[in-house]
Formats: sequence, structure tokens, C-alpha cells
Amino acid sequence: QKEVEQNSGPLSVPEGAIASLNCTYSDRGSQSFFWYRQYSGKSPELIMSIYSNGDKEDGRFTAQLNKASQYVSLLIRDSQPSDSATYLCAAGAQKLVFGQGTRLTINP
Amino acid sequence: DTEVTQTPKHLVMGMTNKKSLKCEQHMGHRAMYWYKQKAKKPPELMFVYSYEKLSINESVPSRFSPECPNSSLLNLHLHALQPEDSALYLCASSQDWDRAFWGYTFGSGTRLTVV
Repeated sequence: QKEVEQNSGPLSVPEGAIASLNCTYSDRGSQSFFWYRQYSGKSPELIMSIYSNGDKEDGRFTAQLNKASQYVSLLIRDSQPSDSATYLCAAGAQKLVFGQGTRLTINP
Repeated sequence: DTEVTQTPKHLVMGMTNKKSLKCEQHMGHRAMYWYKQKAKKPPELMFVYSYEKLSINESVPSRFSPECPNSSLLNLHLHALQPEDSALYLCASSQDWDRAFWGYTFGSGTRLTVV
């Protein structure tokens, strides 16, 4: 069974702080890794993709991938109340497997 | 056009009804997907179409019947559903299903309630 595990949360972070979200995956054949943001009642929105070991930065978001440890993380700097959502980690090759999601709340 | 459009947005149907969900994309993507998402759960893959052919059926009950009339359209035909089938049904597309390198673009979903 190919699995993606996320820290269960919920996670509460003060506005302006760094939010750190973590994810591990079981399938070593996974080639693509993604972070999706999902607001309540809405569909998932792709915010970051990463394919190689190391860090990838996009604005306030940084994704980190360590294939040896089968670990993916997402850092959100200068957290804003609008970042409050559920964050889904996804990993795979031919098809994506989603983690359970981490509910993030940014407190003003 | 970078959107995946799903209709209807909301659907209430009885257990004896037949209805269809529709999905359309004009991004030239060759892979299209149906996912089911229950409350507070991650999306679960139902079907994958690649180049208009069914590539994956994740052991979905036959009361769900997918159809891909052309490269831009994906339908999900519903018949004799159960109340436990109530969920958010998500359509997604990607450039190619062989390598999910580009991630999926999700539609806004259809909120289905079976009564």
C-alpha cells in the first residue's frame, strides 16, 4: 500500500510567523511531489511542486525534498490569515497519492 | 484557458435517479481524472483517462460509469447511488498521465447529496 503521511495537526501559528508542514511517503518510486491548499468547501489548489532533492522557493513558500529520507516539507513564511486552510501533500509517479491533510490556522 | 470546469456545482439526487456530472478542460491536457472526496478526508482516485481511454479504474462500483467523449470532456454517469456516495466529486486534468510531473489542475467540484 503506497502511503503518504502528514503531521495530523491541527496546526496553529501566529500571524507573521513561519508555518512548517511535514510529509513522508512510502513509495520510493515516487518522482513528483506536490503541495495543495484546500479551503473549506473548495477544491484543492496547487501551490508548490518539487521533483529534485533540495529546496524550492516561490514567494513566501518553500518546499523541501529529501528522497533518501522520503520526506517532503512546506514552509510558509510571514504567515497570513488567508493561509488558513488544509494543506495536502501528494506524491507519486503515474498517479498521485494524497496525504490526509494538515489543517493550518493562522491567528491574527 | 487554465481552468477545469465542472457542472453542476451542486446536485441532490434520489437513490433511483440517473444523473451525470460533466467536466471540461481546454488546456490540451491528455489525462483526465475523477476523484471523490469525503469531508475531512483526502481526495481518492476513482478513474483515470489517458488519450480518451480508460487507464485506471480503482475498483469503483458499477453504479459509477465514466465516459470520455473527446479529449476535452469527461463525464461521470450516476445510477442507483447510496447515501454514502454523498461527497465532493472532483475532476482533474494533467498534461500526461504517464508521468504526473506537472501535477493536476482540479475543477471546482460537484457537491453531490444522495437522499
